[in-house]
Amino acid sequence: QKEVEQNSGPLSVPEGAIASLNCTYSDRVSQSFFWYRQYSGKSPELIMSIYSNGDKEDGRFTAQLNKASQYVSLLIRDSQPSDSATYLCAVNNFNKFYFGSGTKLNVKP
Amino acid sequence: EADIYQTPRYLVIGTGKKITLECSQTMGHDKMYWYQQDPGMELHLIHYSYGVNSTEKGDLSSESTVSRIRTEHFPLTLESARPSHTSQYLCASGGQVNTEAFFGQGTRLTVV
Repeated sequence: QKEVEQNSGPLSVPEGAIASLNCTYSDRVSQSFFWYRQYSGKSPELIMSIYSNGDKEDGRFTAQLNKASQYVSLLIRDSQPSDSATYLCAVNNFNKFYFGSGTKLNVKP
Repeated sequence: EADIYQTPRYLVIGTGKKITLECSQTMGHDKMYWYQQDPGMELHLIHYSYGVNSTEKGDLSSESTVSRIRTEHFPLTLESARPSHTSQYLCASGGQVNTEAFFGQGTRLTVV
């Protein structure tokens, strides 16, 4: 079983819509969770971190964590074509980072 | 802003050559990581370090080796490059326990 599972997509949404990206993780003791964005040919860049149950908002991005369900999600409001990228969910288990395979998001103008 | 640097950015090298990929960070982070990523594929952890003189192999078997003699420096070495080593190599570092990791710009390696 993989540590982090994501739907590979692609997920296509029209410009201005809400994009919803999901992730599940296998280790119940995981403490910290992250979303990274990776453009083609570039390295991952951190978008959001979340450590406790509930929602965390930062601009157009909202991360949601449900530890009971071992589920993490990322909502992108007012999606822009520049948001088109692969989104990686990551879990930090005692300083070993595990990444999901990523969900490719296409925002259509 | 994360200050983590990888050199070279691109490298094309012949089979059998020894290569070292450099990674340095100026944030004083204890934890450093090497990932391998093929185009369009997922990240695989190949090495990590929790501090000076501490190195561990990751989940993906790799013929490369690493060293951590100084906090800021975490080079990766391939003693004899092969075409199967062609990939992108990403270095990352992290500070406090269970906090985020920051990535360098990566080295795209091609072995011909």
